[in-house]
Amino acid sequence: NAGVTQTPKFRVLKTGQSMTLLCAQDMNHEYMYWYRQDPGMGLRLIHYSVGEGTTAKGEVPDGYNVSRLKKQNFLLGLESAAPSQTSVYFCASSFTNEKLFFGSGTQLSVL
Amino acid sequence: AQTVTQSQPEMSVQEAETVTLSCTYDTSENNYYLFWYKQPPSRQMILVIRQEAYKQQNATENRFSVNFQKAAKSFSLKISDSQLGDTAMYFCAFNDMRFGAGTRLTVKP
Repeated sequence: NAGVTQTPKFRVLKTGQSMTLLCAQDMNHEYMYWYRQDPGMGLRLIHYSVGEGTTAKGEVPDGYNVSRLKKQNFLLGLESAAPSQTSVYFCASSFTNEKLFFGSGTQLSVL
Repeated sequence: AQTVTQSQPEMSVQEAETVTLSCTYDTSENNYYLFWYKQPPSRQMILVIRQEAYKQQNATENRFSVNFQKAAKSFSLKISDSQLGDTAMYFCAFNDMRFGAGTRLTVKP
């Protein structure tokens, strides 16, 4: 089993460009999450989903949109990238309050 | 909203010794879950230990144990017989939603 797969692993954007990060899990988890990790700030929750077709805002949702059209996929979109969105992005999935299964992360730089 | 505080940005310990990492949190909930995750330089996030708030008994996993004080809202991680491979960032987490800023632990030979 692949677990949680994130694509791409690295990306460089120019300010104002858009992009989509893809997260796929093969464990039939209901819950999926997108976090960003910045030095000295730990992981902060951007958006999450408690099931197919549902999404909810986390701690830092501004500037991001998400969609969960299929249970196994959770997409994170940046419509107009800003330098403040330079970060490492992690996707994770779980059965609620059980172990989080993380992807390997995406390093995003916005110039 | 829940908050998670890790007051030790960096710590170091000699190999084979014991170290304790601190975590405090704030919540009005009665039932919740607490976690410690490890992030080595590979960047992979690894679950170290999990505690259910309604359980009085402190969780243990081999060399890792917690001191869970529900009334004090404290959840510290003790690593016994520290090994070089324990060198990593350690994050305390409340449910699946809220993480602390992390403690960078270095194990010295």
